[in-house]
Amino acid sequence: DVKVTQSSRYLVKRTGEKVFLECVQDMDHENMFWYRQDPGLGLRLIYFSYDVKMKEKGDIPEGYSVSREKKERFSLILESASTNQTSMYLCASRTPGQGNGELFFGEGSRLTVL
Amino acid sequence: AQTVTQSQPEMSVQEAETVTLSCTYDTSENNYYLFWYKQPPSRQMILVIRQEAYKQQNATENRFSVNFQKAAKSFSLKISDSQLGDTAMYFCALSPGYSSASKIIFGSGTRLSIRP
Repeated sequence: DVKVTQSSRYLVKRTGEKVFLECVQDMDHENMFWYRQDPGLGLRLIYFSYDVKMKEKGDIPEGYSVSREKKERFSLILESASTNQTSMYLCASRTPGQGNGELFFGEGSRLTVL
Repeated sequence: AQTVTQSQPEMSVQEAETVTLSCTYDTSENNYYLFWYKQPPSRQMILVIRQEAYKQQNATENRFSVNFQKAAKSFSLKISDSQLGDTAMYFCALSPGYSSASKIIFGSGTRLSIRP
């Protein structure tokens, strides 16, 4: 079974704190993604990575950074959390090859910033 | 710019009925792929069905089928003989280009409820 694991299901942080969201996949996929899910807005891409140490900005990268030191791990970092970053964060990895590759998602991390 | 639009925020049908979820998209790429993903309540997102833009034949997966209208940039999902387990958020998604190393753009989703 394919597995994408997000380290925390629920987090509560204070404004200004640094937040780390960890994601690990066991499928040896090169491509990994971080999305943010908000009601009425669907999933919006924050960052994606197509190889170790490689990253590309998605549609809403402001206020976020990422780290991909190992192939299986892709971390999302909120340098200074703000209340407008309260959201559900979804990590995914993708089967390689052509553009019909399937995304495999983690269970999500629900972040509340007070 | 690549966009995906789902104009139906919520839908509700009776069990065993057929339901169609709408999706339109826009892309400047000649080749691309389209997907429908399902997110059951409090559960992980999973792939329902996918379509390659260069294939004219509509994809089908058991009770799920798509109506792909390339010229109209429309990609609707039909669920036949709907079941209670089909209750979920459904997201239409677009992957532009040939490679899996590209972004996937999602629509805003349709919340589908199947009534017993």
